[in-house]
Amino acid sequence: DTGVSQDPRHKITKRGQNVTFRCDPISEHNRLYWYRQTLGQGPEFLTYFQNEAQLEKSRLLSDRFSAERPKGSFSTLEIQRTEQGDSAMYLCASSTTLMDRGHNSPLHFGNGTRLTVT
Amino acid sequence: QQPVQSPQAVILREGEDAVINCSSSKALYSVHWYRQKHGEAPVFLMILLKGGEQKGHDKISASFNEKKQQSSLYLTASQLSYSGTYFCGGWAGNTPLVFGKGTRLSVIA
Repeated sequence: DTGVSQDPRHKITKRGQNVTFRCDPISEHNRLYWYRQTLGQGPEFLTYFQNEAQLEKSRLLSDRFSAERPKGSFSTLEIQRTEQGDSAMYLCASSTTLMDRGHNSPLHFGNGTRLTVT
Repeated sequence: QQPVQSPQAVILREGEDAVINCSSSKALYSVHWYRQKHGEAPVFLMILLKGGEQKGHDKISASFNEKKQQSSLYLTASQLSYSGTYFCGGWAGNTPLVFGKGTRLSVIA
């Protein structure tokens, strides 16, 4: 169990540029989640996958955000035409549904990608 | 709608006890508790399922009152290592964990 890894750890970009983040979940985990966290707030749900299927996307999520998990393993989160309000820590987490529908499986978080939009 | 946590912040001396509350306006299948230290990822503490469950882990325990949709996290004989921000999160239907704003706990010597 090598844990959830995210790349890059930090990203500084100019407003209007596109950015892409990668997440590698724990290998046997079939669920993968993306959250966003700003200072002093709890993690805010963005989207999640079960295997390669995207099961839900937050209604608050702009169309500039898109996520993929093409082979049910790693995932990418892309933000197009970044805005200063996109500056945040982007957290990836994974879990398993082997025992249930996922409600009582803990989420394992990566260390996040900190995005700064200038 | 995110769960509401209280208090927002608490300062304890080593050895003191604390209770953190989490209240949801939606019916939850389960409640999760996580602790996040500054600059680190949230770390799982425990899960409580509906049914009035209680759980314990070392000197940290929690309960979930399904009727009131309220969960409480109990920290007993706090240690310096307990410092951090505690988040509750709930599964409602098929929407994954929605987290509260967190409770910042500071334990001082």
